[in-house]
Amino acid sequence: QVQLVQSGGGVVQPGRSMRLSCATSGFSFSDYPIHWVRHAPGKGLEWVGFLSSDGKTEYYADSVKGRFTISRDISKKTVSLQMGGLRAEDTAIYYCARDSQDTGYFLLYWGPGTLVTVSS
Amino acid sequence: TVLTQSPATLSLSPGEGGTLSCRASQSVGSSLAWFQLKPGQAPRLLIYDASNRAPGTPARFRGSGSGTDFTLTISSLEPEDFAVYFCQQRSNWPFTFGGGTKVDIK
Repeated sequence: QVQLVQSGGGVVQPGRSMRLSCATSGFSFSDYPIHWVRHAPGKGLEWVGFLSSDGKTEYYADSVKGRFTISRDISKKTVSLQMGGLRAEDTAIYYCARDSQDTGYFLLYWGPGTLVTVSS
Repeated sequence: TVLTQSPATLSLSPGEGGTLSCRASQSVGSSLAWFQLKPGQAPRLLIYDASNRAPGTPARFRGSGSGTDFTLTISSLEPEDFAVYFCQQRSNWPFTFGGGTKVDIK
């Protein structure tokens, strides 16, 4: 079965960097893009970014563009979200997620989420 | 594409029905989904392509609409339905979510 296991997260000071990882299993890694979505306390869901199945195309929300980068390690079947220049408003639970052709390429499979707190 | 959800909060009693709205700032065709979010859980896909139920979504959830106006209707609320609901579009980059509608117990 499809599994997305997340690691990383914790407390980080403003301006610093942090890396989140999403280890995948149960499907052909190179056949699916991976998305990152976050949920800030008391706020709505925010789509953060996307890495295409071939690893060649990235899209980001304007709020993180230039600060966040998504990459992948095919050998480990892992996708990472490198976050730089962190701000208090980046405090959120971060989810990695995968779509499904069976659901119109909407995000059907989700990791459990990992909390990132940006605070001095 | 900005998605505007209304109302922000919907207070209902178990067994009652309710309607949630999602309006897009530009046409997204039928490329819209509805998610349910509960505390401590990952978002759950309920409806995709505006009106199709995702696997495991109960029949009491019905999505409709196209273009810029969409609706999620819950016909008879069960206790487990009290949650926050978000719409999301994947027609235009960047993908976006609405601000959410909280369905709470009256």
